[in-house]
Amino acid sequence: DAKTTQPNSMESNEEEPVHLPCNHSTISGTDYIHWYRQLPSQGPEYVIHGLTSNVNNRMASLAIAEDRKSSTLILHRATLRDAAVYYCILRDGGGGNKLTFGTGTQLKVEL
Amino acid sequence: ETGVTQTPRHLVMGMTNKKSLKCEQHLGHNAMYWYKQSAKKPLELMFVYNFKEQTENNSVPSRFSPECPNSSHLFLHLHTLQPEDSALYLCASSQSGTSGRASGANVLTFGAGSRLTVL
Repeated sequence: DAKTTQPNSMESNEEEPVHLPCNHSTISGTDYIHWYRQLPSQGPEYVIHGLTSNVNNRMASLAIAEDRKSSTLILHRATLRDAAVYYCILRDGGGGNKLTFGTGTQLKVEL
Repeated sequence: ETGVTQTPRHLVMGMTNKKSLKCEQHLGHNAMYWYKQSAKKPLELMFVYNFKEQTENNSVPSRFSPECPNSSHLFLHLHTLQPEDSALYLCASSQSGTSGRASGANVLTFGAGSRLTVL
């Protein structure tokens, strides 16, 4: 599986936008970019995913670089409930059932 | 409630015990997964089942024995575990493509996990 690189931790203030970066320089043409987050004492939950174009949903936006070697998860207005570990993962679009998690980014949100 | 239910939520067992973890999904998915999450470590994929057939075994010791009787249920049978096996065990499910392999767009839905402590 192609690897991703994320900062270990980031901090944000409540009500402000948060940009969580992810580098994936070895991404292949069929890899989808997935983001999950894990709140304390819970299992991971799906946030958003994309292939080439930027994506928006009710939780977040995903901005994908033109060369697809990096992406950014955007939380438009962080709340205390967004404090979690955010994982950027590449999922093989050519098949296979693996989804390999890295260490993710611990997001801290302060008042 | 995610649609993936894991029981028990907490389990304490001795090294000589035999116990099982159960996972049930109500999402109509046909792929199911076991992950292990140890303290301060990334999630580790253990097993994947697709249409009840095991498609991934990530070099998991034989003291962990998975069972998938149908696409909605997944078990993890535990026997003669070690204290280092103490961890959060997470079950997930996803849709699979018509070829039986997951599409890159298919997302995983996780349960809340079973917290296992081995004494």
